[in-house]
Amino acid sequence: GESVGLHLPTLSVQEGDNSIINCAYSNSASDYFIWYKQESGKGPQFIIDIRSNMDKRQGQRVTVLLNKTVKHLSLQIAATQPGDSAVYFCAENPPDYKLSFGAGTTVTVRA
Amino acid sequence: DVKVTQSSRYLVKRTGEKVFLECVQDMDHENMFWYRQDPGLGLRLIYFSYDVKMKEKGDIPEGYSVSREKKERFSLILESASTNQTSMYLCASSSRGHGYGYTFGSGTRLTVV
Repeated sequence: GESVGLHLPTLSVQEGDNSIINCAYSNSASDYFIWYKQESGKGPQFIIDIRSNMDKRQGQRVTVLLNKTVKHLSLQIAATQPGDSAVYFCAENPPDYKLSFGAGTTVTVRA
Repeated sequence: DVKVTQSSRYLVKRTGEKVFLECVQDMDHENMFWYRQDPGLGLRLIYFSYDVKMKEKGDIPEGYSVSREKKERFSLILESASTNQTSMYLCASSSRGHGYGYTFGSGTRLTVV
């Protein structure tokens, strides 16, 4: 079946630098995408979402970019902080409206 | 603050026991989901429900069943726990329709010995 995946399982970032987390999705019919953050011992928390009629959406220190041509999604975190250390998941929402999740990227922030 | 509450954070059960994992949401959401999360495998859907008393199998339903007698509560049942069911279990809920994200609970880490 079709699935959502992330390019890298781990990412190490210097505190204060910008982070970029990538995700490739395979279902061209998906029209809604979400990024989740999961801290150790907690459930995933919503960060930001984007619909397919947009190619960019900004939140507080986070930006999601959507490239439908190559079916690619990315999450950019500005000025990465120690509290940003977590596992980040992308999710896609195809027409059957169950979300499909990638395996996650573990972000570690170096002091 | 809206939330999804899972009754236990940690559980240790013996092989062969019947195990109940409870999930309650206070957002009046129609949809509820049970996932398990294992290292390297991500989130895998076990069962979901779109309404009271209805249920649908997800990708890995074997060894599990569910119950949804009330809109706010969705229970996952391990009929006879086995060691390969040791995992983190996550409950989630969402509004009916397309284009809504999930709200997750904090998870239950189940160990079967």
